[in-house]
Amino acid sequence: QKEVEQNSGPLSVPEGAIASLNCTYSDRVSQSFFWYRQYSGKSPELIMSIYSNGDKEDGRFTAQLNKASQYVSLLIRDSQPSDSATYLCAVNLLNYGGSQGNLIFGKGTKLSVKP
Amino acid sequence: SQTIHQWPATLVQPVGSPLSLECTVEGTSNPNLYWYRQAAGRGLQLLFYSVGIGQISSEVPQNLSASRPQDRQFILSSKKLLLSDSGFYLCAWSVSAASSYNEQFFGPGTRLTVL
Repeated sequence: QKEVEQNSGPLSVPEGAIASLNCTYSDRVSQSFFWYRQYSGKSPELIMSIYSNGDKEDGRFTAQLNKASQYVSLLIRDSQPSDSATYLCAVNLLNYGGSQGNLIFGKGTKLSVKP
Repeated sequence: SQTIHQWPATLVQPVGSPLSLECTVEGTSNPNLYWYRQAAGRGLQLLFYSVGIGQISSEVPQNLSASRPQDRQFILSSKKLLLSDSGFYLCAWSVSAASSYNEQFFGPGTRLTVL
């Protein structure tokens, strides 16, 4: 069973701090990795994509990928109360059940940024 | 730019009644289309995906079905709803090119309550 694991949280950080969200996956041949933000009652919004080992920065967000250790993380610098949401990690699996190009999602980590 | 629409936004239906949810995408051609369900406290579950008109792949056996009558239209249906069909139904699209990393973009969702 191919899986994506996330700590469900809640992860609570003070405003201005760095929030660190982690995700591990079981399939070594995974190629693409995504972070989605989902506000309560809303649909997921793609905020970061990463495809190669290392760091990728976009504004206050940094995604980190380590394929050898099979983990991907998301750092949020200068956290704001508006960052409070559930963050979903998604992994693109190849040849999953005979299909290609399907995403497997973790259950999400709930982040709470306290003013 | 691309836009994805879903309707209705909310729906309350009795057990045993039929269902039809619609999703349309604007601003792109020949997208891959997906139906997901997100039940309370659970992760995103892929239900169906489609790579073209009339081409539907089912990921989970259930009393739901999907159809793609037009390039940018995706419909989720049921002849008789079960209580367990309650959830947040999300339509998503991605670029269909083989070189795509399968970034998926979600519509606003339909919240279905079966009573």
